[in-house]
Amino acid sequence: DQQVKQNSPSLSVQEGRISILNCDYTNSMFDYFLWYKKYPAEGPTFLISISSIKDKNEDGRFTVFLNKSAKHLSLHIVPSQPGDSAVYFCAASDSGTYKYIFGTGTRLKVLA
Amino acid sequence: SQTIHQWPATLVQPVGSPLSLECTVEGTSNPNLYWYRQAAGRGLQLLFYSVGIGQISSEVPQNLSASRPQDRQFILSSKKLLLSDSGFYLCAWSDDSLVEPQHFGDGTRLSIL
Repeated sequence: DQQVKQNSPSLSVQEGRISILNCDYTNSMFDYFLWYKKYPAEGPTFLISISSIKDKNEDGRFTVFLNKSAKHLSLHIVPSQPGDSAVYFCAASDSGTYKYIFGTGTRLKVLA
Repeated sequence: SQTIHQWPATLVQPVGSPLSLECTVEGTSNPNLYWYRQAAGRGLQLLFYSVGIGQISSEVPQNLSASRPQDRQFILSSKKLLLSDSGFYLCAWSDDSLVEPQHFGDGTRLSIL
């Protein structure tokens, strides 16, 4: 049972436009959510997180939105740059545990 | 600052051979430690996590095991590798807190022949 889902395996966006990556979860106990960026043959790099007490968190070009009623989060990258091309994973955690559940990833390609 | 080291970067092993992957963390104490596997075209699957020396939780029953002999050392082992053990293995750490991001090593690409 996939508790964290990224239904779009890939996404292409023009440089300078907005990239929107989506993630859905099923476990209502999840209360901490993260986005990671991964280049080939490297470990994922932490990008941004949000706790369930908030519905938005910004860090530079990256903004994460959380819709708890829909069990949905999204990552917005504005403006998108070619260096943003990578695989993006969302992850979720129940803060009562030490486990993080990852989605299957979305490959973002930013076209110059 | 904290750093995580994982080695080797790549490994090619025959079926039935043993495995030992090592991960160490520097610059922090009592970290939570994790082993993940990313199979081709798949997401990150949590294999083991540890909240302290000698404390290992297993998420997926399989022929792999993990040990934490020291506070900042996490080892992934197998006595006999299977073809299905091929993949990209990642070690990660997080602070000893329930709401902290994980930080990953650069991974080990394991190919079983």
